[in-house]
Amino acid sequence: NAGVTQTPKFRILKIGQSMTLQCTQDMNHNYMYWYRQDPGMGLKLIYYSVGAGITDKGEVPNGYNVSRSTTEDFPLRLELAAPSQTSVYFCASRRTGGADNSPLHFGNGTRLTVT
Amino acid sequence: DAKTTQPTSMDCAEGRAANLPCNHSTISGNEYVYWYRQIHSQGPQYIIHGLKNNETNEMASLIITEDRKSSTLILPHATLRDTAVYYCIVPQGSGNTGKLIFGQGTTLQVKP
Repeated sequence: NAGVTQTPKFRILKIGQSMTLQCTQDMNHNYMYWYRQDPGMGLKLIYYSVGAGITDKGEVPNGYNVSRSTTEDFPLRLELAAPSQTSVYFCASRRTGGADNSPLHFGNGTRLTVT
Repeated sequence: DAKTTQPTSMDCAEGRAANLPCNHSTISGNEYVYWYRQIHSQGPQYIIHGLKNNETNEMASLIITEDRKSSTLILPHATLRDTAVYYCIVPQGSGNTGKLIFGQGTTLQVKP
């Protein structure tokens, strides 16, 4: 199992450009999450999804869009990049339901710089 | 908003036990408590989770009070490599199917 895979690892964007951060998991997890982490700060939840076709906002959703067309994939879209979106982005997934719920499995992160 | 409260920072001597407290006074009956840690800018690493009973694994022990309003993560023999930010998390929303919000965590400094 590859776990949670994020691409790209690094990216530099100019202000106003758009891009999609890719996230895929091969563990058949129903829940998926996107977090951002600014330097020296904690993780902030951007969006999350409880299953294919269902997404919901987290703490800091402005400036981002997500979709969940399949169980495996949960891409994060930046439409008009701004310097304030310079951050490290982490994707995570977990299984819920039944007698226990698994912990979050994290990807290795995407380091994004907007200049 | 995070539903947990943790001290901002703690120190621990190498080789001694590190006890990291977390308050989750609004926890409901079927919500688990999860602990993660983050070293430098790496992705958060899962440590342990529990519901009611105390739990132990190869990394740590988790002690949950009987009323479930607080818990303590114990690293039995802290090493310098345990220096990290430790997060205590309780899912938000109904049951265990809600958001997972990270607070600011506790920065643990293990000193030689």
